Amino acid sequence: DIQMTQSPSTLSASVGDRVTITCRASQSINNCLAWYQQIPGKAPKLLIYKASNLESGVPSRFSGSGSGTEFTLTISSLQPDDFTTYYCQQCNTYSWTFGQGTKVEIK
Amino acid sequence: EVQLVESGGGLLKPGGSLRLSCAASGFFFSNAYMNWVRQAPGKGLEWIGRIKSNRDGGTTDCAAPVIDRFVISRDDSKNTLYLQTNSLKTDDTGVYYCAHSRGDGGFDWGQGTLVTVSS
Repeated sequence: DIQMTQSPSTLSASVGDRVTITCRASQSINNCLAWYQQIPGKAPKLLIYKASNLESGVPSRFSGSGSGTEFTLTISSLQPDDFTTYYCQQCNTYSWTFGQGTKVEIK
Repeated sequence: EVQLVESGGGLLKPGGSLRLSCAASGFFFSNAYMNWVRQAPGKGLEWIGRIKSNRDGGTTDCAAPVIDRFVISRDDSKNTLYLQTNSLKTDDTGVYYCAHSRGDGGFDWGQGTLVTVSS
């Protein structure tokens, strides 16, 4: 199975900061990667699909990049609603594994 | 608009069984690949398994921790996805989400149903 490793596990930042979360795959997944935001008690929400495509309705401060084995999610200017947990997910093989999550907390 | 509504969760003892359902609407269910994802309390997301459309064979793939105990099925006439869970363990406790695989690799999600396994 492909393993997905997110870093960091926790990120402390302030409103207005630019932050980047990294997701590494144990083997190439081409660009088959999605990013989700999850608020506690709620279902995940799709932010980015195919590594760099912004989901409709998602603010443009979110962006994704990468291919092969290394991917990043960038939030250009953190807003109060952004302090929550983010997950990557690969969709390249029959087993669609998630990263372990990155919690973005207020510094 | 895609809607996925899970049901069937509850409290049960180790060794028990439960069938979860997911009622789908807003997309052509018969052509869709459907998934189950779970989340233990305070933990991350865990993909459990997937069922292909019957047009593509209707086969299932499941993650190693559940492959011998859980069965995914579908009823296209009812636009409904199922997860039969057997020989439940305390580690199976969590919120179980139904998810629709979009063609672009992203998922649409239901609101989840809570399964609690405790003696």
